[in-house]
Amino acid sequence: EPEVTQTPSHQVTQMGQEVILRCVPISNHLYFYWYRQILGQKVEFLVSFYNNEISEKSEIFDDQFSVERPDGSNFTLKIRSTKLEDSAMYFCASNPGPSYEQYFGPGTRLTVT
Amino acid sequence: AQSVTQLGSHVSVSEGALVLLRCNYSSSVPPYLFWYVQYPNQGLQLLLKYTTGATLVKGINGFEAEFKKSETSFHLTKPSAHMSDAAEYFCAVSLYNQGGKLIFGQGTELSVKP
Repeated sequence: EPEVTQTPSHQVTQMGQEVILRCVPISNHLYFYWYRQILGQKVEFLVSFYNNEISEKSEIFDDQFSVERPDGSNFTLKIRSTKLEDSAMYFCASNPGPSYEQYFGPGTRLTVT
Repeated sequence: AQSVTQLGSHVSVSEGALVLLRCNYSSSVPPYLFWYVQYPNQGLQLLLKYTTGATLVKGINGFEAEFKKSETSFHLTKPSAHMSDAAEYFCAVSLYNQGGKLIFGQGTELSVKP
């Protein structure tokens, strides 16, 4: 069964450093999403992406964040200058369209020290 | 704006007992509703979903949920709990006409006692 994959599974970085989190969505899906889950809290929407542009973003998704689909398979989330409060589990998801269920990847645990 | 409230951050049941996890939503238009399960150190797995049609939906692992528009609820049930059901459960809502982003509830941790 097709699945969403994410790399790395765990990333440790120092405050102020740039990080890129990578996702490979399911191949025939057209909509892509990033969510984050701070330890012990609920899953929060960050951004949705369709047709090579952001379709919606949350208040969390400020100028420090960016997303890109650099080729036909990868979908990346970049945090330009990480803060301690960016420490969280980041989930990528994809679906064929907005009325379909979203398939989630296993997540990348980001630790900012 | 839509929102989701899950009553009870932690629910504990005995093995074989009924599982009831509560979810209420707020939405200005008919939403799509989902229950996801998260096992420790894993991602989110879809249990079941309601989009249109039959209001009682069945999912994986013996779970089901009923959409009650008048009560704005989408409670998750399972007749008989199994030890393997211990996990975090998230209720979520999306609006098909808003790009499909999911708004999650706070989550309910289910413990199953032997």
